[in-house]
Amino acid sequence: AQSVSQHNHHVILSEAASLELGCNYSYGGTVNLFWYVQYPGQHLQLLLKYFSGDPLVKGIKGFEAEFIKSKFSFNLRKPSVQWSDTAEYFCAVNVPTYNTDKLIFGTGTRLQVFP
Amino acid sequence: ETGVTQSPTHLIKTRGQQVTLRCSSQSGHNTVSWYQQALGQGPQFIFQYYREEENGRGNFPPRFSGLQFPNYSSELNVNALELDDSALYLCASPSGQATEAFFGQGTRLTVV
Repeated sequence: AQSVSQHNHHVILSEAASLELGCNYSYGGTVNLFWYVQYPGQHLQLLLKYFSGDPLVKGIKGFEAEFIKSKFSFNLRKPSVQWSDTAEYFCAVNVPTYNTDKLIFGTGTRLQVFP
Repeated sequence: ETGVTQSPTHLIKTRGQQVTLRCSSQSGHNTVSWYQQALGQGPQFIFQYYREEENGRGNFPPRFSGLQFPNYSSELNVNALELDDSALYLCASPSGQATEAFFGQGTRLTVV
């Protein structure tokens, strides 16, 4: 069965520090990849997505992610975090050949940014 | 604002009871998915409905069932509630071009 692993469960950073959150998935075929963010008390929001093409994708709020097919990875990065980035971050995978919109999520990474 | 609205926002039920959660979408897309997010976990896919029929199901027992209506609204029904059913239940609907899923704010269900 497909799965998504997020190895960083809780990350604490100071403002202006750089961020990289790891995401690995287990599926050998074509996948669509997503990063979602969940701010406290708010709904899940899409940060960025990768379907095909350039493996370096840019999303909202200065976030970017790189798809490395050989490593089955889709790590999220931001050069300089802000206090407002404090949230839960979820990596997710969709297998398009299954003909459903089913998303398989990782367990999430809680990011805390201190001023 | 995602255009996906869920009700109620919070709910407390007793073990063994039944619950109905509701979702409405303004996306105009005829697909809706439901997820369960337990505390400290990522959302887990329960099932998807397409044109009012179940079109994919995750690892959830039959006491989790759903309905989708012609007006794009949807219901998640859970029978014989168990304590482990306590979670945030999320409804998701694709964007108009089906390139991403829009999530509602969820219903926080507590089973006591």
